Parts: sequence; structure tokens; C-alpha cells
Amino acid sequence: DAGVTQSPTHLIKTRGQHVTLRCSPISGHKSVSWYQQVLGQGPQFIFQYYEKEERGRGNFPDRFSARQFPNYSSELNVNALLLGDSALYLCASSLRGQRPGVEKLFFGSGTQLSVL
Amino acid sequence: AQKVTQAQTEISVVEKEDVTLDCVYETRDTTYYLFWYKQPPSGELVFLIRRNSFDEQNEISGRYSWNFQKSTSSFNFTITASQVVDSAVYFCALTNYGGATNKLIFGTGTLLAVQP
Repeated sequence: DAGVTQSPTHLIKTRGQHVTLRCSPISGHKSVSWYQQVLGQGPQFIFQYYEKEERGRGNFPDRFSARQFPNYSSELNVNALLLGDSALYLCASSLRGQRPGVEKLFFGSGTQLSVL
Repeated sequence: AQKVTQAQTEISVVEKEDVTLDCVYETRDTTYYLFWYKQPPSGELVFLIRRNSFDEQNEISGRYSWNFQKSTSSFNFTITASQVVDSAVYFCALTNYGGATNKLIFGTGTLLAVQP
């Protein structure tokens, strides 16, 4: 069975541009979460979606938005890119979006975004 | 506020040495979960272990062992007889039990380099 898949794997953008990152969860998983991992840091929570509804949002500006589609795949959108948005963006899926202590989170390999 | 501290930024050992990765956490919650993840160069986060706050038993899984001590708010990870394949970044993470999301709070990670 396929794991969590993310596309593209690498992306280079310039300041002020917009970017869309995509995530396909494991088959049957209904919850998708997004994390930002800046070089040398741990991942930081951006969003969680479950059944196409936003369940939670981390401390990120409104330039960051996301959505989940009926097939449970998800897109993360970032507008007006800044140099500081350069990071590895990780997507994680889980079956019912319950707390990680209850069900396991499965992570993809991420999209490496470079903003020049 | 919740916080995870991994004071060791990088550790380098020679194959077959034992190595301990430290993790100290802060939380006001009485019920919480602690995790260790491994991040190889490919980028995905690989789940290693989950421990809830009520279970202070140490756990051993092959060459891996974990020491959870609530009195010192620590959840340390030991690799016995390290191998080159253990080289990766290791993250300790925390989540509370009652949150609305499946958000994980990660430490900054420890880069483990195992030399042949």
C-alpha cells in the first residue's frame, strides 16, 4: 500500500510568488495535517483537516491556507512568499484525526521549498 | 505552555557504541503522550515509540530502549550497539490528551552520526 505522497518533492520560488503543495493521504485516512520544518528545527504544526473541515490551525499568518478535497487529498497554499518560508513542508495523515496518542500519524517525505 | 527540549544538537559515535539521546519536556497537562521519531535523509518522519503519562515503565525494542521519568520530565532514548543505519535526526515530541487537534510539539532534534 502506498504511504503518504507529496508533490512536488522540490520547488524553487521567488519572493512574492504563490505556491501550492499537494498531499495524498494513505488510502482510507480521512485526516491530513501540515507541518513546516525550517532547517535545523523541529516540525511546526500548521493545519489539521478532517472530513474537509479545518480542525485546527497553528501560529501561522493568513498567507497560509489549506483545503481538503472529497477524496481526502489536501493542498497547502502560501501567498506572498517570504525568504523565511523556505522549509521542508511535511504532510501527515491519520485514520480519523484523533489525538496522536490514540492513533498513529503517518508522515510523507515532504516538499522542500526554497524561496529566493 | 508545552515545550520539548533536546539539548544535544549533534552526536557522533563509532559503530557498536551505545548512545543516549536526551529529551526534556514541559507541560501543565496531567495527561499527555510522548513520542520519538526518526528522520532519515529522505525526509519522512518514522514513528519509533509512543508513551502515555501514566505509564512510566521503561521499554525495550531490540537495540532501542526508552527511559521515561516524570519526576525529571525526561524521556530519554538509548541505542545499544549503534549501527551506521541509525544515522539520522531524532525528534522527541509531545501532545496533550485533551486537545482538539492531533498537533504534535517537536523538539529541535538531535543529529546522530554513526561512523563505521
